[in-house]
Amino acid sequence: GNSVTQMEGPVTLSEEAFLTINCTYTATGYPSLFWYVQYPGEGLQLLLKATKADDKGSNKGFEATYRKETTSFHLEKGSVQVSDSAVYFCALTPPGGANNLFFGTGTRLTVIP
Amino acid sequence: NAGVTQTPKFQVLKTGQSMTLQCAQDMNHEYMSWYRQDPGMGLRLIHYSVGAGITDQGEVPNGYNVSRSTTEDFPLRLLSAAPSQTSVYFCASRAAGDNTEAFFGQGTRLTVV
Repeated sequence: GNSVTQMEGPVTLSEEAFLTINCTYTATGYPSLFWYVQYPGEGLQLLLKATKADDKGSNKGFEATYRKETTSFHLEKGSVQVSDSAVYFCALTPPGGANNLFFGTGTRLTVIP
Repeated sequence: NAGVTQTPKFQVLKTGQSMTLQCAQDMNHEYMSWYRQDPGMGLRLIHYSVGAGITDQGEVPNGYNVSRSTTEDFPLRLLSAAPSQTSVYFCASRAAGDNTEAFFGQGTRLTVV
Protein backbone atom coordinates (compact mmCIF):
# COMPACT_ATOMS: atom_id res chain seq x y z
CA GLY A 1 0.00 0.00 0.00
CA ASN A 2 0.87 3.67 0.03
CA SER A 3 1.84 5.45 3.22
CA VAL A 4 4.00 8.24 4.59
CA THR A 5 5.80 8.24 7.91
CA GLN A 6 7.21 11.47 9.21
CA MET A 7 9.03 12.60 12.26
CA GLU A 8 6.83 13.17 15.27
CA GLY A 9 6.80 16.60 16.74
CA PRO A 10 6.60 19.04 18.09
CA VAL A 11 9.93 20.54 17.16
CA THR A 12 11.14 23.72 18.84
CA LEU A 13 14.17 25.54 17.49
CA SER A 14 15.87 28.83 18.05
CA GLU A 15 15.98 31.32 15.21
CA GLU A 16 18.81 30.59 12.71
CA ALA A 17 19.06 26.94 13.76
CA PHE A 18 19.24 24.12 11.21
CA LEU A 19 16.05 22.20 10.55
CA THR A 20 15.55 18.61 9.48
CA ILE A 21 12.17 16.91 9.40
CA ASN A 22 12.40 13.27 8.41
CA CYS A 23 9.98 11.65 5.98
CA THR A 24 9.96 8.12 4.60
CA TYR A 25 7.42 6.54 2.34
CA THR A 26 6.02 3.28 1.10
CA ALA A 27 4.56 3.20 -2.38
CA THR A 28 4.13 1.09 -5.45
CA GLY A 29 6.23 2.29 -8.34
CA TYR A 30 7.64 5.79 -8.36
CA PRO A 31 5.42 8.27 -6.55
CA SER A 32 5.57 12.04 -6.68
CA LEU A 33 6.60 13.52 -3.34
CA PHE A 34 5.50 16.75 -1.70
CA TRP A 35 5.92 18.91 1.34
CA TYR A 36 2.93 21.00 2.32
CA VAL A 37 2.88 23.66 5.03
CA GLN A 38 -0.03 24.80 7.18
CA TYR A 39 0.24 28.17 8.88
CA PRO A 40 -2.00 28.82 11.89
CA GLY A 41 -5.67 29.07 10.96
CA GLU A 42 -5.08 28.36 7.28
CA GLY A 43 -5.37 25.52 4.83
CA LEU A 44 -2.39 23.65 3.50
CA GLN A 45 -0.23 25.07 0.75
CA LEU A 46 2.44 23.48 -1.35
CA LEU A 47 5.99 24.14 -0.17
CA LEU A 48 7.95 22.03 -2.63
CA LYS A 49 7.80 18.84 -4.65
CA ALA A 50 9.92 16.28 -6.50
CA THR A 51 8.67 13.93 -9.15
CA LYS A 52 11.51 11.49 -9.77
CA ALA A 53 14.49 9.94 -8.06
CA ASP A 54 17.36 12.32 -7.17
CA ASP A 55 15.21 15.39 -7.89
CA LYS A 56 15.61 18.19 -5.38
CA GLY A 57 12.65 20.38 -4.61
CA SER A 58 13.33 23.81 -3.13
CA ASN A 59 11.40 26.88 -2.08
CA LYS A 60 11.80 29.69 0.48
CA GLY A 61 15.13 28.24 1.64
CA PHE A 62 13.67 24.77 2.23
CA GLU A 63 15.00 21.75 0.33
CA ALA A 64 14.19 18.08 0.03
CA THR A 65 15.77 15.40 -2.15
CA TYR A 66 13.90 12.39 -3.51
CA ARG A 67 15.95 9.38 -2.38
CA LYS A 68 14.69 6.20 -3.96
CA GLU A 69 17.29 3.97 -2.33
CA THR A 70 16.21 5.00 1.17
CA THR A 71 12.59 5.85 0.23
CA SER A 72 13.01 9.21 1.91
CA PHE A 73 12.23 12.86 1.31
CA HIS A 74 13.61 14.73 4.30
CA LEU A 75 12.91 18.45 4.62
CA GLU A 76 15.81 20.75 5.49
CA LYS A 77 16.46 24.43 6.00
CA GLY A 78 19.76 25.93 6.94
CA SER A 79 18.53 28.82 9.05
CA VAL A 80 14.94 28.93 10.30
CA GLN A 81 13.01 32.09 11.07
CA VAL A 82 10.14 32.78 13.44
CA SER A 83 7.88 33.05 10.39
CA ASP A 84 8.59 29.38 9.57
CA SER A 85 6.55 28.29 12.58
CA ALA A 86 3.87 26.04 11.12
CA VAL A 87 2.85 22.42 10.67
CA TYR A 88 4.67 20.58 7.89
CA PHE A 89 3.18 17.61 6.06
CA CYS A 90 4.99 15.15 3.85
CA ALA A 91 2.78 13.60 1.16
CA LEU A 92 2.85 11.42 -1.94
CA THR A 93 0.75 10.61 -4.96
CA PRO A 94 1.28 7.15 -6.43
CA PRO A 95 1.88 6.91 -10.17
CA GLY A 96 -1.36 6.83 -12.08
CA GLY A 97 -3.30 7.62 -8.91
CA ALA A 98 -6.40 9.51 -9.81
CA ASN A 99 -6.46 11.92 -6.98
CA ASN A 100 -5.11 10.48 -3.83
CA LEU A 101 -2.60 12.44 -1.85
CA PHE A 102 -1.37 10.33 1.05
CA PHE A 103 -0.26 12.47 3.99
CA GLY A 104 1.99 11.94 6.94
CA THR A 105 0.76 12.93 10.37
CA GLY A 106 2.38 16.37 10.27
CA THR A 107 5.19 17.92 12.30
CA ARG A 108 4.61 21.11 14.24
CA LEU A 109 7.58 23.47 14.17
CA THR A 110 7.93 26.38 16.56
CA VAL A 111 10.80 28.80 16.10
CA ILE A 112 11.62 31.04 19.03
CA PRO A 113 13.53 34.34 18.75
CA ASN B 1 -8.22 34.92 -7.19
CA ALA B 2 -10.71 33.03 -5.04
CA GLY B 3 -9.11 29.58 -5.44
CA VAL B 4 -10.95 27.09 -3.21
CA THR B 5 -13.74 28.50 -1.07
CA GLN B 6 -15.22 26.56 1.82
CA THR B 7 -18.22 27.48 3.90
CA PRO B 8 -18.94 27.68 6.76
CA LYS B 9 -15.70 28.23 8.69
CA PHE B 10 -17.18 27.07 11.98
CA GLN B 11 -20.19 24.94 12.82
CA VAL B 12 -21.64 23.33 15.91
CA LEU B 13 -24.13 20.50 15.42
CA LYS B 14 -26.14 18.35 17.75
CA THR B 15 -25.85 14.60 17.43
CA GLY B 16 -28.19 13.37 14.73
CA GLN B 17 -28.43 16.63 12.81
CA SER B 18 -27.47 16.79 9.17
CA MET B 19 -25.63 19.50 7.29
CA THR B 20 -23.73 20.24 4.11
CA LEU B 21 -20.26 21.67 3.89
CA GLN B 22 -19.85 23.69 0.73
CA CYS B 23 -16.77 23.74 -1.49
CA ALA B 24 -16.27 25.67 -4.70
CA GLN B 25 -13.22 26.20 -6.90
CA ASP B 26 -12.75 28.58 -9.80
CA MET B 27 -9.63 27.05 -11.37
CA ASN B 28 -11.44 24.55 -13.61
CA HIS B 29 -9.70 21.67 -11.83
CA GLU B 30 -10.82 18.17 -12.63
CA TYR B 31 -9.96 16.65 -9.26
CA MET B 32 -11.62 17.60 -5.99
CA SER B 33 -11.45 15.93 -2.62
CA TRP B 34 -12.47 16.19 1.01
CA TYR B 35 -10.14 15.49 3.92
CA ARG B 36 -10.57 15.51 7.65
CA GLN B 37 -7.75 16.56 9.94
CA ASP B 38 -7.52 15.08 13.40
CA PRO B 39 -4.72 15.50 15.95
CA GLY B 40 -1.94 12.97 15.47
CA MET B 41 -3.54 11.52 12.33
CA GLY B 42 -2.69 13.98 9.62
CA LEU B 43 -5.20 14.37 6.81
CA ARG B 44 -7.39 11.46 5.83
CA LEU B 45 -9.28 11.29 2.56
CA ILE B 46 -13.06 11.07 2.88
CA HIS B 47 -14.31 11.22 -0.73
CA TYR B 48 -12.93 12.40 -4.01
CA SER B 49 -13.99 13.16 -7.55
CA VAL B 50 -12.08 13.07 -10.83
CA GLY B 51 -14.71 15.00 -12.74
CA ALA B 52 -18.32 16.08 -12.87
CA GLY B 53 -20.62 13.15 -12.26
CA ILE B 54 -17.86 10.92 -10.86
CA THR B 55 -17.20 10.35 -7.16
CA ASP B 56 -15.45 7.67 -5.15
CA GLN B 57 -14.73 6.77 -1.56
CA GLY B 58 -11.51 7.52 0.23
CA GLU B 59 -10.10 6.13 3.43
CA VAL B 60 -12.87 7.22 5.83
CA PRO B 61 -16.15 7.60 3.89
CA ASN B 62 -18.67 6.31 6.42
CA GLY B 63 -21.24 8.87 7.49
CA TYR B 64 -20.56 11.20 4.57
CA ASN B 65 -22.02 11.67 1.10
CA VAL B 66 -20.79 13.72 -1.83
CA SER B 67 -21.95 14.67 -5.30
CA ARG B 68 -20.31 16.47 -8.20
CA SER B 69 -22.92 17.94 -10.50
CA THR B 70 -20.59 20.67 -11.81
CA THR B 71 -16.84 21.05 -12.18
CA GLU B 72 -16.85 23.91 -9.68
CA ASP B 73 -18.77 22.50 -6.73
CA PHE B 74 -18.19 19.51 -4.47
CA PRO B 75 -20.42 19.58 -1.36
CA LEU B 76 -19.93 17.19 1.55
CA ARG B 77 -23.03 16.02 3.40
CA LEU B 78 -23.12 14.70 6.92
CA LEU B 79 -26.20 12.53 7.09
CA SER B 80 -26.58 12.15 10.87
CA ALA B 81 -23.81 13.84 12.79
CA ALA B 82 -21.92 11.95 15.47
CA PRO B 83 -19.36 13.20 18.01
CA SER B 84 -16.71 11.14 16.15
CA GLN B 85 -17.16 13.53 13.24
CA THR B 86 -15.84 16.44 15.26
CA SER B 87 -12.87 17.50 13.17
CA VAL B 88 -11.47 20.10 10.81
CA TYR B 89 -12.54 19.50 7.23
CA PHE B 90 -10.58 20.59 4.18
CA CYS B 91 -11.61 20.67 0.58
CA ALA B 92 -8.91 20.54 -2.08
CA SER B 93 -8.72 20.72 -5.85
CA ARG B 94 -6.03 19.76 -8.37
CA ALA B 95 -5.58 19.73 -12.09
CA ALA B 96 -5.39 16.23 -13.57
CA GLY B 97 -1.99 14.52 -13.38
CA ASP B 98 0.27 12.72 -10.90
CA ASN B 99 2.25 15.66 -9.59
CA THR B 100 0.00 18.67 -9.82
CA GLU B 101 -0.32 21.01 -6.86
CA ALA B 102 -3.33 20.64 -4.59
CA PHE B 103 -5.03 23.86 -3.53
CA PHE B 104 -6.81 23.79 -0.20
CA GLY B 105 -9.65 25.76 1.27
CA GLN B 106 -9.26 27.39 4.67
CA GLY B 107 -11.10 24.62 6.43
CA THR B 108 -14.31 24.10 8.40
CA ARG B 109 -14.07 23.44 12.10
CA LEU B 110 -16.99 21.20 13.01
CA THR B 111 -18.01 20.30 16.53
CA VAL B 112 -20.69 17.71 17.18
CA VAL B 113 -22.13 17.76 20.68
